[in-house]
Amino acid sequence: AQSVTQLDSHVSVSEGTPVLLRCNYSSSYSPSLFWYVQHPNKGLQLLLKYTSAATLVKGINGFEAEFKKSETSFHLTKPSAHMSDAAEYFCVVSVRGTYKYIFGTGTRLKVLA
Amino acid sequence: DTGVSQDPRHKITKRGQNVTFRCDPISEHNRLYWYRQTLGQGPEFLTYFQNEAQLEKSRLLSDRFSAERPKGSFSTLEIQRTEQGDSAMYLCASSATYFGPGTRLTVL
Repeated sequence: AQSVTQLDSHVSVSEGTPVLLRCNYSSSYSPSLFWYVQHPNKGLQLLLKYTSAATLVKGINGFEAEFKKSETSFHLTKPSAHMSDAAEYFCVVSVRGTYKYIFGTGTRLKVLA
Repeated sequence: DTGVSQDPRHKITKRGQNVTFRCDPISEHNRLYWYRQTLGQGPEFLTYFQNEAQLEKSRLLSDRFSAERPKGSFSTLEIQRTEQGDSAMYLCASSATYFGPGTRLTVL
């Protein structure tokens, strides 16, 4: 069965420092993986997606993620955090052969001034 | 604003009542998803439509839940005989990429 595990429920960084949000996946097949962001009282927004093309995926707002098959990871990074990045981030895998998307439990990012 | 609208945004109801939510996806999108999100959790897949056909349903979708997309445009999600455990945010997504703002259901 396919699944994702977000290793940190909360991450705090100072403004201007790098962001690392960790996600490990479990899949028997080459997965399609996604990162979404959810700001308070706003809808979910797709940040980026990996669909077996380039292993380094660039997304919106300066975020990127690298697919590492050997480590079964798809960590989300950003070189320099901005106050507006404070939100909940979800790692997501699509289940092959179905229309389901499985969300991780989320990582709440706090950005300190 | 993603272009996906949901109505109502908030619904408070008493246990045992029926509720219906509506989702209007982006007009040219034929794929529509419903998810449920409880506090502190990620969204859970409920069901998927391609045009008017309901192609997949989660086991989470008990007999009290029904979803329709009669003309392949807007969709409705009905919960009959609501229970307190149904309290959650119900999210609609157009083409898996664009999520609506959600309908927050509170069952008293």
